[in-house]
Amino acid sequence: GESVGLHLPTLSVQEGDNSIINCAYSNSASDYFIWYKQESGKGPQFIIDIRSNMDKRQGQRVTVLLNKTVKHLSLQIAATQPGDSAVYFCADLYSGAGSYQLTFGKGTKLSVIP
Amino acid sequence: KAGVTQTPRYLIKTRGQQVTLSCSPISGHRSVSWYQQTPGQGLQFLFEYFSETQRNKGNFPGRFSGRQFSNSRSEMNVSTLELGDSALYLCASSLRTSGGRNEQFFGPGTRLTVL
Repeated sequence: GESVGLHLPTLSVQEGDNSIINCAYSNSASDYFIWYKQESGKGPQFIIDIRSNMDKRQGQRVTVLLNKTVKHLSLQIAATQPGDSAVYFCADLYSGAGSYQLTFGKGTKLSVIP
Repeated sequence: KAGVTQTPRYLIKTRGQQVTLSCSPISGHRSVSWYQQTPGQGLQFLFEYFSETQRNKGNFPGRFSGRQFSNSRSEMNVSTLELGDSALYLCASSLRTSGGRNEQFFGPGTRLTVL
């Protein structure tokens, strides 16, 4: 079936450096692509999303890039901080034909080295 | 504004038992989705309820069921528990308006352990 997957399970970065987390998706019909952050003992927390008709969206210290040609999504975190340490999930949202479903990737664990 | 709440937070059951988990969405949100999270399979969609009707269902056996009440609160039930049902069960709520982004807000989850 359709699925969203991640290239790397773990990523370690030095505090202050930029982080890039990648994701591949397969459902071309998805309306939105979303990044979530999950800290230990908590549910996923929305970070940023991008509509399928866009290729870039910026938030506070985060940027999401969407390449529909190769079905690739990335999350860039600028000036990574220790508080950014968490598991990051990409997800695609399909809301056609009365459906409303998020499909998640496996997750990438980001560790920030102080 | 209160977030999504889930009860109980932790649960221990034995094989063959059944369990009911509860989710209270953010006030005004009418859509509730349930997800199962395990280390091996990650986050997997179980089902979504909107206006008391199941709108979408993931690829899970019939032992997994749910319902939504008129106040949008939702429950999910797992019957005849198996060891593999041990997981974090997450509930998410959203407004589910047509044409909008419909951000999903997650609760903290219920950690179910099946012995």
